[in-house]
Amino acid sequence: AQSVTQLGSHVSVSEGALVLLRCNYSSSVPPYLFWYVQYPNQGLQLLLKYTTGATLVKGINGFEAEFKKSETSFHLTKPSAHMSDAAEYFCAVSEGGGADGLTFGKGTHLIIQP
Amino acid sequence: DARVTQTPRHKVTEMGQEVTMRCQPILGHNTVFWYRQTMMQGLELLAYFRNRAPLDDSGMPKDRFSAEMPDATLATLKIQPSEPRDSAVYFCASGAGTGGFMGTFGSGTRLTVV
Repeated sequence: AQSVTQLGSHVSVSEGALVLLRCNYSSSVPPYLFWYVQYPNQGLQLLLKYTTGATLVKGINGFEAEFKKSETSFHLTKPSAHMSDAAEYFCAVSEGGGADGLTFGKGTHLIIQP
Repeated sequence: DARVTQTPRHKVTEMGQEVTMRCQPILGHNTVFWYRQTMMQGLELLAYFRNRAPLDDSGMPKDRFSAEMPDATLATLKIQPSEPRDSAVYFCASGAGTGGFMGTFGSGTRLTVV
């Protein structure tokens, strides 16, 4: 069975600092991996996804993530945090390309300090 | 932008009452998912449909939950009778195709059962 672990339910960084949100997955087949962002009282918005090919994936709003098979990780990074990045971030995995639904991590609340 | 529309946005009901949540998927999308979000369990897949046919509802409590797609423009999730533990945000997502499918999420229905 597939699963996702997000290390740190809350992460606080200063504005302008590097953002690093950690995600480790478990999957019996090559996974499809996703990062979503959720702003208060809103649905989930896709930031980026990994399917096959290039392991460094670039997404919207300056975010990127790197798929590391040996470490079963898919950490999300952004070089310089902005106040507008404050939100809840979810990592998700699918063994079926997403067409059979996603398994989500518990989420990481990103706090941006001025 | 095309969006998934969920109604109502908020619902407060008394224990034992029937609750119906509705979702209008994006036109042309052939797959509809229902997810539930709670603080304790995070995001859980309840059920999903493809081409209006139910493919998997193993995440749903069978005795009180039911999901249907009466037509391609409407998906419903019904709880009868509702219980306080059903209080959560229920999200609908729709998508098309396979291979890196990710789905577009609605803004959710926040259900409170008192």
